[in-house]
Amino acid sequence: EPEVTQTPSHQVTQMGQEVILRCVPISNHLYFYWYRQILGQKVEFLVSFYNNEISEKSEIFDDQFSVERPDGSNFTLKIRSTKLEDSAMYFCASSEESRAGTEAFFGQGTRLTVV
Amino acid sequence: RKEVEQDPGPFNVPEGATVAFNCTYSNSASQSFFWYRQDCRKEPKLLMSVYSSGNEDGRFTAQLNRASQYISLLIRDSKLSDSATYLCVEYNAGNMLTFGGGTRLMVKP
Repeated sequence: EPEVTQTPSHQVTQMGQEVILRCVPISNHLYFYWYRQILGQKVEFLVSFYNNEISEKSEIFDDQFSVERPDGSNFTLKIRSTKLEDSAMYFCASSEESRAGTEAFFGQGTRLTVV
Repeated sequence: RKEVEQDPGPFNVPEGATVAFNCTYSNSASQSFFWYRQDCRKEPKLLMSVYSSGNEDGRFTAQLNRASQYISLLIRDSKLSDSATYLCVEYNAGNMLTFGGGTRLMVKP
């Protein structure tokens, strides 16, 4: 069964450093997303991406964050100058379409710990 | 601000029991909802979509009540493997999903 894959599974970084979280969406999917989940809290939408540009972004997704599709398979989330409060599980997701009822498939997540 | 609210639980039930969760949403214009399941420290996985007419998938039944703005999930004949957190999820335009905080279910032998 096709799946969304994320690397690394766990990233520890020092405050102020930049991190890049990597995702390989399902191959025939056209819509890509990043979500995050701070420990013990809700899953929160960060950004959606289609046709090489951002479609939607939440208030969380400020100038500290950026996304990129550097090639035909990878989808990355860059966090510049990480803060302690960026520590969370970051989930990548993808879907075939963006209409109501379409399933979004989630990767296994990258646990980011900022120290 | 769009909100999806759930009772966090935990719901502790014996194997074989029937358990029901509710979820309320604030955006009366919302059209589409899902139930996702999340195991501890894992990714959310789609359990089922929720339709106005109600839908059933094996032991699971989901219902949407637009007038009262709530969604329900009924699990019959609970199994130990049903132990997880159940996430009520609202679809927004652009396939942006708004998640509830989840209801934790623990099925005991």
